[in-house]
Amino acid sequence: GEDVEQSLFLSVREGDSSVINCTYTDSSSTYLYWYKQEPGAGLQLLTYIFSNMDMKQDQRLTVLLNKKDKHLSLRIADTQTGDSAIYFCAETLSGGYQKVTFGTGTKLQVIP
Amino acid sequence: DGGITQSPKYLFRKEGQNVTLSCEQNLNHDAMYWYRQDPGQGLRLIYYSQIVNDFQKGDIAEGYSVSREKKESFPLTVTSAQKNPTAFYLCASTNLTWGNEKLFFGSGTQLSVL
Repeated sequence: GEDVEQSLFLSVREGDSSVINCTYTDSSSTYLYWYKQEPGAGLQLLTYIFSNMDMKQDQRLTVLLNKKDKHLSLRIADTQTGDSAIYFCAETLSGGYQKVTFGTGTKLQVIP
Repeated sequence: DGGITQSPKYLFRKEGQNVTLSCEQNLNHDAMYWYRQDPGQGLRLIYYSQIVNDFQKGDIAEGYSVSREKKESFPLTVTSAQKNPTAFYLCASTNLTWGNEKLFFGSGTQLSVL
């Protein structure tokens, strides 16, 4: 079955790099995503990676995928106070209806 | 501007009352979804619809009902059978592209019980 897990909380200093980790159990994942949620708001898609890729970079964001270990990470370079939010990883599985399964979310706190 | 609009932002429910949350999108998306968010539990799927006049139960559909009479609209009713309705409710939509379901979310409705 599907299960996506994340640590609940991460605290970093402004200017440092943040690394948010995610593990998933279903090896038939096709796409994996990172969403950002600011307080009291909906989720916003940050980036996504196809399951046959190892890495994707988009400005300050780097996504790493280790398919063997079923591990996904999001690295935010030069973390800013505006990056404080909850970050969700999510996956879709191959075959049939493309249901999106979300992780529990990691709350990132950036200390000035 | 295209987007998804949820209303109201805050909603209060009395004991035994049904309440309806609104979700409207002007993105011309085929599929629409309702998620429930509780602290530390991530998002759980309540109902989804891939086409007008059709919808399917998600993982936690009990105590909820939906309709999809128009492509743009997917209202969610929280019935009195839902004994623990306090949560943040999120509506989302997407075009059905095979495998890459990039979801667009509304800004959410916080439902509380009086």
